Amino acid sequence: GAGVSQSPSNKVTEKGKDVELRCDPISGHTALYWYRQSLGQGLEFLIYFQGNSAPDKSGLPSDRFSAERTGGSVSTLTIQRTQQEDSAVYLCASSIAGGNTGELFFGEGSRLTVL
Amino acid sequence: SQKIEQNSEALNIQEGKTATLTCNYTNYSPAYLQWYRQDPGRGPVFLLLIRENEKEKRKERLKVTFDTTLKQSLFHITASQPADSATYLCALDTMGNTPLVFGKGTRLSVIA
Repeated sequence: GAGVSQSPSNKVTEKGKDVELRCDPISGHTALYWYRQSLGQGLEFLIYFQGNSAPDKSGLPSDRFSAERTGGSVSTLTIQRTQQEDSAVYLCASSIAGGNTGELFFGEGSRLTVL
Repeated sequence: SQKIEQNSEALNIQEGKTATLTCNYTNYSPAYLQWYRQDPGRGPVFLLLIRENEKEKRKERLKVTFDTTLKQSLFHITASQPADSATYLCALDTMGNTPLVFGKGTRLSVIA
């Protein structure tokens, strides 16, 4: 499709396990963002990729969280040794370019439940 | 500290009335502000962007204002319909090439 695609849409895991969440941005979009949304909360910024620049990791809540973006396209967010407080919807977004250039296109999110 | 506040968690209005949602911010100097709509279980969808040098922007039944002196944006939906029921998020850039910062959103319910 033409939109941002995220997988899996739902993931249930046990505390202590590692999880990987995938994001396929819109083709040609150079900027990619990961946000987290907990129940009843706003979007919490996690990490931002812009072209070939070093990613902005300032929002990652702990060193258990990491992300990479291969070939300037697909991104994977990895959470190691998951905790119950990691339960949230993880949203990926892309935009044509970074900075103050316009709208973000969001995927439908990956809902993570840590038991 | 830097904050973005949206006026209320929930707003109920009668069909046909104008809904007005508020977004206030402190300690930011955004170059622009955006509004998004989010339906349950879905990702946010972009609605409107307004720049710091624009006072007002319109799109169909939507109107956004941006007052950099008051540090406030108002989002209006005229002739509201039950289909407008959703959560509306404001977002602003903090400085140049940085990710958008989002408010917690206001859940609007339009009652027939």
